[in-house]
Amino acid sequence: DVKVTQSSRYLVKRTGEKVFLECVQDMDHENMFWYRQDPGLGLRLIYFSYDVKMKEKGDIPEGYSVSREKKERFSLILESASTNQTSMYLCASSLSRAGYGYTFGSGTRLTVV
Amino acid sequence: SQELEQSPQSLIVQEGKNLTINCTSSKTLYGLYWYKQKYGEGLIFLMMLQKGGEEKSHEKITAKLDEKKQQSSLHITASQPSHAGIYLCGAGNPRASNYQLIWGAGTKLIIKP
Repeated sequence: DVKVTQSSRYLVKRTGEKVFLECVQDMDHENMFWYRQDPGLGLRLIYFSYDVKMKEKGDIPEGYSVSREKKERFSLILESASTNQTSMYLCASSLSRAGYGYTFGSGTRLTVV
Repeated sequence: SQELEQSPQSLIVQEGKNLTINCTSSKTLYGLYWYKQKYGEGLIFLMMLQKGGEEKSHEKITAKLDEKKQQSSLHITASQPSHAGIYLCGAGNPRASNYQLIWGAGTKLIIKP
């Protein structure tokens, strides 16, 4: 059963901490994405990557960075967590650039206190 | 820019009743995807529609894409508690460098027993 695995389901971090959210896919997908989901705002793209060591900014990259050292792993980094980064974070992967559907992880609910 | 508007934003339906969720775009849709999200979890792929007039069904859920490819509807027949969740539509965006999906804000479905 193919899947996207996010390392943590729930996280609580303090303001100013550096936070790492990990995402691993076992489908050999080229594209990987990080979204945050907030009530009333839907899914907002933070960063995406279409190849190892490649990354591109999405709609709301401020305060975040990413790392893709291996094809199967895409990490989201909050350099200095702030309370406005409290959210549900969703990782997704897709087969190619041709607009195929995404496979999503189960999400990480991050609370910054 | 293209946006996807979902309606209604939320829906409360008596168990056993039928319901319809809509996803509308001001521009032609290039690949329309329906996903379901159980509360606090990741998104599960339901169906993909690509051709004008296309209709697909899975169990009691039917999705249609209109001839103009600007509106899609998701219809649930004889709703059950397992249908509760948030339904999101996503569409291919040919202007994006890698055909990223754009998303509707979601429809929250509650099934009353």
